[in-house]
Amino acid sequence: GEDVEQSLFLSVREGDSSVINCTYTDSSSTYLYWYKQEPGAGLQLLTYIFSNMDMKQDQRLTVLLNKKDKHLSLRIADTQTGDSAIYFCAVPAPYGGSQGNLIFGKGTKLSVKP
Amino acid sequence: EPEVTQTPSHQVTQMGQEVILRCVPISNHLYFYWYRQILGQKVEFLVSFYNNEISEKSEIFDDQFSVERPDGSNFTLKIRSTKLEDSAMYFCASTGTFDNSNQPQHFGDGTRLSIL
Repeated sequence: GEDVEQSLFLSVREGDSSVINCTYTDSSSTYLYWYKQEPGAGLQLLTYIFSNMDMKQDQRLTVLLNKKDKHLSLRIADTQTGDSAIYFCAVPAPYGGSQGNLIFGKGTKLSVKP
Repeated sequence: EPEVTQTPSHQVTQMGQEVILRCVPISNHLYFYWYRQILGQKVEFLVSFYNNEISEKSEIFDDQFSVERPDGSNFTLKIRSTKLEDSAMYFCASTGTFDNSNQPQHFGDGTRLSIL
């Protein structure tokens, strides 16, 4: 079945860039997402990219999409301690379109050291 | 910015009891979802709902689960006879309007369900 893989942990120093990677097996041609979850909190939509794009930049966030390799990445520039959280990659199930259900990775726990 | 709201934030229930989790999706959205996240695990899809009927459901969404849109604003998830393994964070999400069905899914803050 469809699967979304992420590394579980990433540790960086404050001010460095963080890169969180995600690979998936299949997806609908629509949005792919990054969600942020702080401890005990809900899922915050961080950013998303439409499948016909290679890159999207939004302030400190850069999303790169390689459809051929089915690889999605999130780069956080100038990482701050407030960026410490779990980051989930989510892709829409194949054939579901933008209204279809999302398949989530297990999440990457980002730890930012001062 | 409009948001999805869920109540209660935490629900504690005895095993075997019925529980109803409530969601108010973003007001002009048409597509609604429930997901769950067992502690320490990934977020899993339960069910999607459109035009007053279930669009899709996962194998998790068995006969113990049901969804309803009782009025123009609420979207509920009912678990008929709760089991210990139903303990999880339950997230509601919504997307899509009449004039733009191609939008990202927005999630609520979740309801933490604890079954004793």
